[in-house]
Amino acid sequence: EAQVTQNPRYLITVTGKKLTVTCSQNMNHEYMSWYRQDPGLGLRQIYYSMNVEATDKGDVPEGYKVSRKEKRNFPLILESPSPNQTSLYFCASRSGYGTDTQYFGPGTRLTVL
Amino acid sequence: AQKITQTQPGMFVQEKEAVTLDCTYDTSDPSYGLFWYKQPSSGEMIFLIYQGSYDQQNATEGRYSLNFQKARKSANLVISASQLGDSAMYFCAMREGTGANSKLTFGKGITLSVRP
Repeated sequence: EAQVTQNPRYLITVTGKKLTVTCSQNMNHEYMSWYRQDPGLGLRQIYYSMNVEATDKGDVPEGYKVSRKEKRNFPLILESPSPNQTSLYFCASRSGYGTDTQYFGPGTRLTVL
Repeated sequence: AQKITQTQPGMFVQEKEAVTLDCTYDTSDPSYGLFWYKQPSSGEMIFLIYQGSYDQQNATEGRYSLNFQKARKSANLVISASQLGDSAMYFCAMREGTGANSKLTFGKGITLSVRP
């Protein structure tokens, strides 16, 4: 089954404790991205990657890091989480051609205390 | 200026009736794509329908259709024969340009509640 997976689905942590949210897709998509969703603000792109070893900042990259060492994986790293990073996070992937529909992971609900 | 505008604060519809969710967009790129996603209370983002800027006909997918008015830059989602399971938040999104460098921009969403 074609899908984007994220782990963990729920995470409660404390300020300053480094964490990683994993993302993996099995559709051989080149383009992957991370979004955060906050009430009243819709989805905002954090980082994106056009292929292996090619990443770039989205609209709200501060406080986040990403890596793309393999085509299927695109982890999101919070080196020193703060309470303003409490949010719902989505990983997404798309092929980059044709209708180029973007498929989303199930979301990770992060709370930083 | 916002690229995607969804101004309806919340919509209510009676079960089995049709409902239109509004979306206007702003772009100067001649090649773009428009998407609608559904987000139920469980949180996942579900792709519903796609309309390309060069498509001559309005897109349809089952009970979903997209009323694409290019000159007005609107891409309204029409849901026919509403069901209780249609209660969710709906997001309109636009991709400008083509290829992997193109970016997807989302509106702020509209909440739809279907009444029995």
